[in-house]
Amino acid sequence: GAGVSQSPRYKVAKRGQDVALRCDPISGHVSLFWYQQALGQGPEFLTYFQNEAQLDKSGLPSDRFFAERPEGSVSTLKIQRTQQEDSAVYLCASRGGAIQETQYFGPGTRLLVL
Amino acid sequence: DQQVKQNSPSLSVQEGRISILNCDYTNSMFDYFLWYKKYPAEGPTFLISISSIKDKNEDGRFTVFLNKSAKHLSLHIVPSQPGDSAVYFCAASDLGNDMRFGAGTRLTVKP
Repeated sequence: GAGVSQSPRYKVAKRGQDVALRCDPISGHVSLFWYQQALGQGPEFLTYFQNEAQLDKSGLPSDRFFAERPEGSVSTLKIQRTQQEDSAVYLCASRGGAIQETQYFGPGTRLLVL
Repeated sequence: DQQVKQNSPSLSVQEGRISILNCDYTNSMFDYFLWYKKYPAEGPTFLISISSIKDKNEDGRFTVFLNKSAKHLSLHIVPSQPGDSAVYFCAASDLGNDMRFGAGTRLTVKP
């Protein structure tokens, strides 16, 4: 596809359940980013990959959050033992090679933890 | 700590008039600034950007102004159109890789 895609678009989870969110970046994009967007707020950085290497995970809020990009393309954000405060939109973005190139966002996955 | 601030949660303007959206930042290391536009149920869409070596960048109806000394940038839309109604996010980065976003301003352009 031409843009960044994310699945599922919506996810309802019971508290304590594990969830996995998928991101398909733009083909050939080296960099991939995950953001968390709470209601009424801007996106907050979670983690960043360059190819398969996770270069920055400083934004992950707890050790329940784990991200991977094993082949340098598709990425998965996993949240273990979900809590209600994890409810948010999770956005994925990808970027080409140069640092100052624009990040292109997917539509996001809206996670609701009950 | 919120390094990028958009102090106006909403703005309403008449079609054909100018829309001015403002953004302030605190980190003097930021050197690249972007504006994103977001419709409901969609991800943010890149609109326009500016490097810190410039003070103005223009793209059609959209112009971004950067005042480094005041750590302030603004987005001007002229003339505003109803299709411009969306949430606008200001973002900044310091040549690193994570961007910091403001909380957004909801623009409503009335016909």
